[in-house]
Amino acid sequence: DIQMTQSPSSLPASLGERVTISCRASQGINNNLNWYQQKPDGTIKPLIYYTSNLQSGVPSRFSGSGSGTDYSLTISSLEPEDFAMYYCQQDASFPNTFGAGTKLELK
Amino acid sequence: QVQLQQSGAELAKPGSSVKISCKASGYTFTRYYISWIKQTTGQGLEYIGYINTGSGGTNYNEKFKGKATLTVDKSSSTAFMQLSSLTPDDSAVYYCARKTLYVMDAWGQGASVTVSS
Repeated sequence: DIQMTQSPSSLPASLGERVTISCRASQGINNNLNWYQQKPDGTIKPLIYYTSNLQSGVPSRFSGSGSGTDYSLTISSLEPEDFAMYYCQQDASFPNTFGAGTKLELK
Repeated sequence: QVQLQQSGAELAKPGSSVKISCKASGYTFTRYYISWIKQTTGQGLEYIGYINTGSGGTNYNEKFKGKATLTVDKSSSTAFMQLSSLTPDDSAVYYCARKTLYVMDAWGQGASVTVSS
């Protein structure tokens, strides 16, 4: 299985700050990388698919980039509703695998 | 709007089975696969497998073969996952999700399973 290493595991940040979360795959995944947000109530929603495509309804302050084995999610200016857990997921090979998550916390 | 409504929390005894449901609405059920994902504090998110809602064909993560069985009822637009021979390691929140070409674009609210004697 492809291993996904996500960093940092915890990210204290302030409102309005720009933040970046990284994800590294144990082998090349040809841009088949998605990002999800999980709220404290357990609700999970997709943010970015295929590295850099914004899911419908997701604010434009979210963006994704990367290639090969290294990918990142950037939030340009943090809003109160952005403080949550974030996960990367590779869809290049079966079984899909997820990063361990990043907890974005209010500083 | 697309919705996946999962069944409620389950408390089960070791060695027993549980069956979780995932009822889809707001789209044509048989046009999208349904994936299932396990979430625990220790192991994070784990992909269990998916079912082709049109044909009933399945693909399981090797780790969950023999543990999870995926089925569908097209007449009610509902997907099911049965977990058998339960142990405490099966205690988790289980999610169903609609799978598109690239991404799981709609998720159920999660179903908690607690295995305890």
